[in-house]
Amino acid sequence: GAVVSQHPSWVICKSGTSVKIECRSLDFQATTMFWYRQFPKQSLMLMATSNEGSKATYEQGVEKDKFLINHASLTLSTLTVTSAHPEDSSFYICSADITGHNTEAFFGQGTRLTVV
Amino acid sequence: GESVGLHLPTLSVQEGDNSIINCAYSNSASDYFIWYKQESGKGPQFIIDIRSNMDKRQGQRVTVLLNKTVKHLSLQIAATQPGDSAVYFCAEKNKAAGNKLTFGGGTRVLVKP
Repeated sequence: GAVVSQHPSWVICKSGTSVKIECRSLDFQATTMFWYRQFPKQSLMLMATSNEGSKATYEQGVEKDKFLINHASLTLSTLTVTSAHPEDSSFYICSADITGHNTEAFFGQGTRLTVV
Repeated sequence: GESVGLHLPTLSVQEGDNSIINCAYSNSASDYFIWYKQESGKGPQFIIDIRSNMDKRQGQRVTVLLNKTVKHLSLQIAATQPGDSAVYFCAEKNKAAGNKLTFGGGTRVLVKP
């Protein structure tokens, strides 16, 4: 089956620093990837849609200057949390759709971000 | 806005019994539905899906039922096992909305030995 690899699986950073999270589709091409945020005991909330070769589409209330998304190739999207603060601590998850297929989204393992 | 919701936040079930998890959705234009299982600290794992032109689909020990009349989705797990303990999410996809997935609130299933 299609595999999405997310890295790192966990990261601890200091307030004010930036953190980059990578999402790779290992055995398929993904024109579109999605970034979610999940707080404890809550559902996944879509942050943005990452489109290869173009700007990401952000959901309402998500700051595009704080959560920078780059989708430079058909197999890689990155999310950079800039000037992180403790309230940015969360579980970040990416997913990818197989280009041209209307099937289930394939999810990465998630990244636990802790800002201290 | 559109939403997908769940009736029960927590479900305790005896090992070996069947589990039923329910989900209500509000977007009548949704054309594809998916159930995911999420274990602690991991990403969602695909369980089973169903398209809007179907009302039932079966997998290994799992069955998904779709009732478009009342906008209701359910997941049935047969002979629930300890490894089934997790949070289960329903999600709907709408091509017209750019294939974005909208997740329900989640139901935690606790399997008692």
